[in-house]
Amino acid sequence: QKEVEQNSGPLSVPEGAIASLNCTYSDRGSQSFFWYRQYSGKSPELIMSIYSNGDKEDGRFTAQLNKASQYVSLLIRDSQPSDSATYLCAVNHWGLTGGGNKLTFGTGTQLKVEL
Amino acid sequence: DGGITQSPKYLFRKEGQNVTLSCEQNLNHDAMYWYRQDPGQGLRLIYYSQIVNDFQKGDIAEGYSVSREKKESFPLTVTSAQKNPTAFYLCASSIGQGARSNQPQHFGDGTRLSIL
Repeated sequence: QKEVEQNSGPLSVPEGAIASLNCTYSDRGSQSFFWYRQYSGKSPELIMSIYSNGDKEDGRFTAQLNKASQYVSLLIRDSQPSDSATYLCAVNHWGLTGGGNKLTFGTGTQLKVEL
Repeated sequence: DGGITQSPKYLFRKEGQNVTLSCEQNLNHDAMYWYRQDPGQGLRLIYYSQIVNDFQKGDIAEGYSVSREKKESFPLTVTSAQKNPTAFYLCASSIGQGARSNQPQHFGDGTRLSIL
């Protein structure tokens, strides 16, 4: 069973629309949650972090966390063609030898913003 | 500028050859990680290190080795025992462990390894 699940897409939205990306996770002990953006052929870039239930807004991005439902989402308002990329959900939880945290990644959702 | 530098950007391996991927960071981060990314798959953890002179196996450590002699450096060697090494290799770092371990990981630009 996958620990972090995302719909692989592609998710296509018109320019200017709201893109909604979803992620579910299996470990109830997870403590922090991240969204990374990865352009084709490039490395992941952190765009949002969220640690507590509710919404967190940063510019056009809003991350939403619901720990009871084990669900985290990313909303992108006023979507632009430059937002076209794969979005990786990452979940942080204790699990490494030595007491450290482990970051588990979903396989990513491909977003296409069309003109 | 602070960041994570991976080199080379592209690397080709011959049969039976060991190759080493470099990862250097000047963020003063304690923890460093190596991931492998294959098409259609998520990032898989190869090795990680939370402190100098200590490192641990991740989920797919077979055929790989690492060292952590300096805080800034965490090189990864892909040995000839790794039979399917073609992948995109990503190095990451984060502030540290304990109370600071909830902080995100930041990535270098990656090294793309192929077989000749």
